[in-house]
Amino acid sequence: SQQGEEDPQALSIQEGENATMNCSYKTSINNLQWYRQNSGRGLVHLILIRSNEREKHSGRLRVTLDTSKKSSSLLITASRAADTASYFCATRGNQGGKLIFGQGTELSVKP
Amino acid sequence: EAQVTQNPRYLITVTGKKLTVTCSQNMNHEYMSWYRQDPGLGLRQIYYSMNVEVTDKGDVPEGYKVSRKEKRNFPLILESPSPNQTSLYFCASSWGALDEQFFGPGTRLTVL
Repeated sequence: SQQGEEDPQALSIQEGENATMNCSYKTSINNLQWYRQNSGRGLVHLILIRSNEREKHSGRLRVTLDTSKKSSSLLITASRAADTASYFCATRGNQGGKLIFGQGTELSVKP
Repeated sequence: EAQVTQNPRYLITVTGKKLTVTCSQNMNHEYMSWYRQDPGLGLRQIYYSMNVEVTDKGDVPEGYKVSRKEKRNFPLILESPSPNQTSLYFCASSWGALDEQFFGPGTRLTVL
């Protein structure tokens, strides 16, 4: 079952602009994680936010979590061409070991 | 260097010929997992393991087997591969089930 749904599927912006990606999920979670994937490569973990947290920062990344709406957003500020990649959210439930990924947002940052 | 390794990185095979994709991690992680990635479907979890000798099905386990005899290794076995198993496969590990995952570089499998 696909828990996470991401929006938009694709996003094209200019360098220096901010990029916002959204993730919605269906069931209760223990945490939500964001990953980045450069074309055809392995995923790299960006940030983890727990269900009792509302906002988290890491460098140019800002993640918010709204458990009442079952949604999260990832903001990349002052984007760079090197941020061009696919970004995935993944949710971890409270029971068991499943990690469920969304389908991803493909971000293109033009120099 | 802390890493997850997978072998082979690329494999072309024929229907029905048993194959194994190996996965190894050197971080002493307890949790390991296999995913497949297909266009339009994102990443889907195949199997995961919470510790040695403990494995469980993910969302798409049909046609796959796994084993976890040692902490560092988590091979994925396709007993009788079929063309619908053509995909990009990723192995990942983490300290525990709730923690961030470290991914391997991927194995691109084509079944003819």
